[in-house]
Amino acid sequence: GAGVSQSPSNKVTEKGKDVELRCDPISGHTALYWYRQSLGQGLEFLIYFQGNSAPDKSGLPSDRFSAERTGGSVSTLTIQRTQQEDSAVYLCASSLTSGSGYEQYFGPGTRLTVT
Amino acid sequence: GESVGLHLPTLSVQEGDNSIINCAYSNSASDYFIWYKQESGKGPQFIIDIRSNMDKRQGQRVTVLLNKTVKHLSLQIAATQPGDSAVYFCAENIGGNYQLIWGAGTKLIIKP
Repeated sequence: GAGVSQSPSNKVTEKGKDVELRCDPISGHTALYWYRQSLGQGLEFLIYFQGNSAPDKSGLPSDRFSAERTGGSVSTLTIQRTQQEDSAVYLCASSLTSGSGYEQYFGPGTRLTVT
Repeated sequence: GESVGLHLPTLSVQEGDNSIINCAYSNSASDYFIWYKQESGKGPQFIIDIRSNMDKRQGQRVTVLLNKTVKHLSLQIAATQPGDSAVYFCAENIGGNYQLIWGAGTKLIIKP
């Protein structure tokens, strides 16, 4: 079946512009995660959605970052007034539910470059 | 956000040899552990997991060992192949908590 998809795969933007990154999770997965990965480093948690519950935004690095999940499915991560330090790969993952034992399935990521 | 990882440690292994990738986890309350493989340009992919009530679990060519006494996790890959070249991440989870705590990652290089 289809895995997690993300678009665009690459995005180059000028400093100060807004960008939107999209994630289509696996159908039926109630939990959705956004991570950021800088070159050669591990994964930095950004935000978590679970069903209709309020999202956990504790990982968002600044108020320029926001995310929505519409209809419990597709999610959009928005970065306003992008800065060069926002350049990274943004990864989305989904899982059947949350907590121990529930494997997270990752999309291929969106590589964001801010010039 | 929780940021993990410095510049990645690297492990070079001869093709056909066994690889052992180590991970020290942080929380003694963690009860679930996962190994992920990330190939260049792709998202992490699940390899194998283990619960804290076990100390060993085997998959196809991979074995995960868990030593709770010293909070150490290892991934053993038998007969390493070129396709095993990737960055390997360990992650830990505390029961009922949806967040995974990610290790820094180890880059595995296969020498021909």
